[in-house]
Amino acid sequence: QQQVKQSPQSLIVQKGGISIINCAYENTAFDYFPWYQQFPGKGPALLIAIRPDVSEKKEGRFTISFNKSAKQFSLHIMDSQPGDSATYFCAATDISGSRLTFGEGTQLTVNP
Amino acid sequence: EPEVTQTPSHQVTQMGQEVILRCVPISNHLYFYWYRQILGQKVEFLVSFYNNEISEKSEIFDDQFSVERPDGSNFTLKIRSTKLEDSAMYFCASRWINTGELFFGEGSRLTVL
Repeated sequence: QQQVKQSPQSLIVQKGGISIINCAYENTAFDYFPWYQQFPGKGPALLIAIRPDVSEKKEGRFTISFNKSAKQFSLHIMDSQPGDSATYFCAATDISGSRLTFGEGTQLTVNP
Repeated sequence: EPEVTQTPSHQVTQMGQEVILRCVPISNHLYFYWYRQILGQKVEFLVSFYNNEISEKSEIFDDQFSVERPDGSNFTLKIRSTKLEDSAMYFCASRWINTGELFFGEGSRLTVL
């Protein structure tokens, strides 16, 4: 019930391409869905987040698409750049916000 | 920009030894957390702390673990008798309110030999 499943495990994209990472959850009490970016040796940093009252949120080149009925959400990185190469984690939490449940992570490599 | 700071950045210890990992959360934040990440794996929740008490803990956070906020600024994670499987990166995090953005520190890498 608490799991968040993330795919793919790794992703290689050419510069300028679109990177798409998918996540699925089971717990219907989840109501906050952030994406974190992690560079090697660093802590996760919030990239973008969405609540289930909207189906899409866009910030610059990053877009979250949210499908409440399917219990799925995805991160789209437009015009991917080599500097985007990092590990991306989706996460979810309920209204209490006490515990973030993370997906398994996606290692993104953007080739120049 | 305010940040969560953690010390030490790397600690090597012998199995069975006690370890204390220290964190200084962002100064006006009220909610504090510890997460861990075993190499190459996902980030896992350990414990949350608010108003000087544990608000939630995971099944990982057993009797060997404890947290404390000994003064107004530090937040510590103690592992009483370390095991090999405790080797991981430990992240401290904090937020102002329970629905606000969660800010992570850079982590403390613990290696248990």
